[in-house]
Amino acid sequence: RKEVEQDPGPFNVPEGATVAFNCTYSNSASQSFFWYRQDCRKEPKLLMSVYSSGNEDGRFTAQLNRASQYISLLIRDSKLSDSATYLCVVPSGGSYIPTFGRGTSLIVHP
Amino acid sequence: DAGVTQSPTHLIKTRGQQVTLRCSPISGHKSVSWYQQVLGQGPQFIFQYYEKEERGRGNFPDRFSARQFPNYSSELNVNALLLGDSALYLCASSVTATFVSNQPQHFGDGTRLSIL
Repeated sequence: RKEVEQDPGPFNVPEGATVAFNCTYSNSASQSFFWYRQDCRKEPKLLMSVYSSGNEDGRFTAQLNRASQYISLLIRDSKLSDSATYLCVVPSGGSYIPTFGRGTSLIVHP
Repeated sequence: DAGVTQSPTHLIKTRGQQVTLRCSPISGHKSVSWYQQVLGQGPQFIFQYYEKEERGRGNFPDRFSARQFPNYSSELNVNALLLGDSALYLCASSVTATFVSNQPQHFGDGTRLSIL
């Protein structure tokens, strides 16, 4: 099993839709988790962090399921500008070594 | 304030050559990390330096080396370049050495390295 796994997609959704991505991880000792957003040919930017059960920021909700070892990202009321690749990050090794998933591509269409 | 700056933005090399990539962190950030991102994949961790000491190393061959200078800027060196080294090389800076949310990593625009 890979350390961090994501469905590459693409997820094609209409504006206004709700979409959710999952990210599974193998290191049960990991304590913190992150979602980054990366636009085409741009650098990754931090979107949200997840430490305990979950985190909500506007239209975005990140949740953690430790028993099943996955985190999820829910986007409500999708906007065209949400089109991007969403990267899951799981630090390990005392938090010095982050492992990025391959990313999930989201395309929001009119 | 200036963000993380990387140079050069693009670079073309041939197999067997050596390359040096440079990164200047955000002012006040003492940690610099390097990542390799190939097309269609997420960034893969190469090194982290904090206060001029290596704090983490990813699964990369010894051809890859890095260092951090007293002003916290950093260089990534890759020797004996292979075709497979073609990728986007990202530098990220943060205040602390650990990957915590209140001290997130800020990425530069990257250096796109092509090996012919």
